[in-house]
Amino acid sequence: QKEVEQNSGPLSVPEGAIASLNCTYSDRGSQSFFWYRQYSGKSPELIMFIYSNGDKEDGRFTAQLNKASQYVSLLIRDSQPSDSATYLCAVAIQAGTALIFGKGTTLSVSS
Amino acid sequence: DVKVTQSSRYLVKRTGEKVFLECVQDMDHENMFWYRQDPGLGLRLIYFSYDVKMKEKGDIPEGYSVSREKKERFSLILESASTNQTSMYLCASRPFRQAGLTEAFFGQGTRLTVV
Repeated sequence: QKEVEQNSGPLSVPEGAIASLNCTYSDRGSQSFFWYRQYSGKSPELIMFIYSNGDKEDGRFTAQLNKASQYVSLLIRDSQPSDSATYLCAVAIQAGTALIFGKGTTLSVSS
Repeated sequence: DVKVTQSSRYLVKRTGEKVFLECVQDMDHENMFWYRQDPGLGLRLIYFSYDVKMKEKGDIPEGYSVSREKKERFSLILESASTNQTSMYLCASRPFRQAGLTEAFFGQGTRLTVV
């Protein structure tokens, strides 16, 4: 069974700090990787996706991918209280058709 | 904007009932998915469909079936509801691209309680 692993947290950081969220996956054939944010009681929403080794930046968010180590991470710079949420890592499987998710990491940013 | 609409936000059903959860998307996406989300277990894939009348089992298909008669609609069926199927059910849709380079869009979720 294909797996995606995340630390459940909670991860607590002070406002303005860098939050680092990590994810590992088991399927070496996976090609695309996604980070979703989910606020309590809401549906997941996409932050960004990455498919090439290295870094991808979008505003305060940077996704990092290392396919050799089967590792993907999300860095949030200048963390804000509004970033407090659960962050879900997802990997495309089945020739890219289906997404499977990790259990999520809960982030708490204190002001 | 992409819209994925689930028929009910909250649903209460009795044990043994046949339950239908409906999902409609308005962006002509090829792929549609049903997940359930439980505390501590995350989002788990129940079934997905990549085309009309096509379906594939996800990680936890037992006790569920699905139907996709039209491209925009994907239904999840609980043949005989049980209390362990009490959960949040999320529908998602996603366009097809090579290597899966597209995001999935989620509906608002259906909180199902089986009593």
